[in-house]
Amino acid sequence: EPEVTQTPSHQVTQMGQEVILRCVPISNHLYFYWYRQILGQKVEFLVSFYNNEISEKSEIFDDQFSVERPDGSNFTLKIRSTKLEDSAMYFCASRDGGRPLQHFGDGTRLSIL
Amino acid sequence: QQQVKQSPQSLIVQKGGISIINCAYENTAFDYFPWYQQFPGKGPALLIAIRPDVSEKKEGRFTISFNKSAKQFSLHIMDSQPGDSATYFCAASYGYNNDMRFGAGTRLTVKP
Repeated sequence: EPEVTQTPSHQVTQMGQEVILRCVPISNHLYFYWYRQILGQKVEFLVSFYNNEISEKSEIFDDQFSVERPDGSNFTLKIRSTKLEDSAMYFCASRDGGRPLQHFGDGTRLSIL
Repeated sequence: QQQVKQSPQSLIVQKGGISIINCAYENTAFDYFPWYQQFPGKGPALLIAIRPDVSEKKEGRFTISFNKSAKQFSLHIMDSQPGDSATYFCAASYGYNNDMRFGAGTRLTVKP
């Protein structure tokens, strides 16, 4: 079964540094999402992306964050000038155009030191 | 409002018992209500989902009950097994973007 793939599985970064989290969505999917899950808490919506532009973003997704689909297969989340509170699991999800079912990757654990 | 409220926070059930997790939502625009199962170190995986035009949906041991007027929906796991031990999230979404809002999660432990 096709999967959403996220790399790296764990990223350790110094506070203030930039980090890029990478995702390869399922190949025929059209909608892409990033979610965040702080340890022990709920999954929070960050941003949705369709047709090469942001469709919607939450209040968490401020100017520190950006997303990009640099080619036909990758979907990236960039966090500029990371803060301690950015430490979390970041999940990428994708879906096709027909059904609302979102498929999630296994996440990237981001640790800010 | 975008909130989805979930309870209980944790649940312990004996093997063979019924696990029940409840969720309530505020935004009447929500039109898709999935339940996700998450094991440690893994991403959420869809378990079962329902649309508001249906009051109940059953897939194997998993059933969603949906009460549109009360804006509540619940997950019932029949004949709970130790392998069902995981965190369960309810969620809701609407519109073509389908941006999901998750409940806080329920950590289910099924004791052998």
